Amino acid sequence: AQTVTQSQPEMSVQEAETVTLSCTYDTSENNYYLFWYKQPPSRQMILVIRQEAYKQQNATENRFSVNFQKAAKSFSLKISDSQLGDTAMYFCAFTMYNAGNMLTFGGGTRLMVKP
Amino acid sequence: DTGVSQDPRHKITKRGQNVTFRCDPISEHNRLYWYRQTLGQGPEFLTYFQNEAQLEKSRLLSDRFSAERPKGSFSTLEIQRTEQGDSAMYLCASSRDSFNQPQHFGDGTRLSIL
Repeated sequence: AQTVTQSQPEMSVQEAETVTLSCTYDTSENNYYLFWYKQPPSRQMILVIRQEAYKQQNATENRFSVNFQKAAKSFSLKISDSQLGDTAMYFCAFTMYNAGNMLTFGGGTRLMVKP
Repeated sequence: DTGVSQDPRHKITKRGQNVTFRCDPISEHNRLYWYRQTLGQGPEFLTYFQNEAQLEKSRLLSDRFSAERPKGSFSTLEIQRTEQGDSAMYLCASSRDSFNQPQHFGDGTRLSIL
């Protein structure tokens, strides 16, 4: 079974600064996808960024980038130029290349961006 | 693309009652997923449909839970004889039929058992 661990229950960052959220996972599979989802307070979960395991290049989406270390099974999210609207729960998630693509989520990191 | 819609947003019921939730996926999304999220935790997979076929069920889905997706469009999740431990947010997600397509989530239904 796959597991996803987020070791930082809460983090805070000053507006305009950079913050990195950690995620580690455990799997015996070689082909899989990793995701970061954002869940603002009382709002729906939205996809922030995703990474295919076979790609060595780290994914980037505007202010969001990942540091994917496959051998270490590590998948951290870096948020640059933090904005107040980045305040949310952030979930790391994993799915295998199979017919179902069910997501396995970590426990989440609550990020507070301070003005 | 109107997004994934879930109804109701909130449901309060007494222990032992039956409840039913509805999910309307994004149109033309073949896959539909149900997850459960308890307070302060990440979502946990419950079950998934490919069109009208229920292809996977988690061991979390006890025999008091049943999900359907008639005609491969909307889906319902029913919980019979609710228990205190059923209190959670129930999330629905949908995606296109391909391994590299991301899941789009609804706002969820928050269930509170009195």
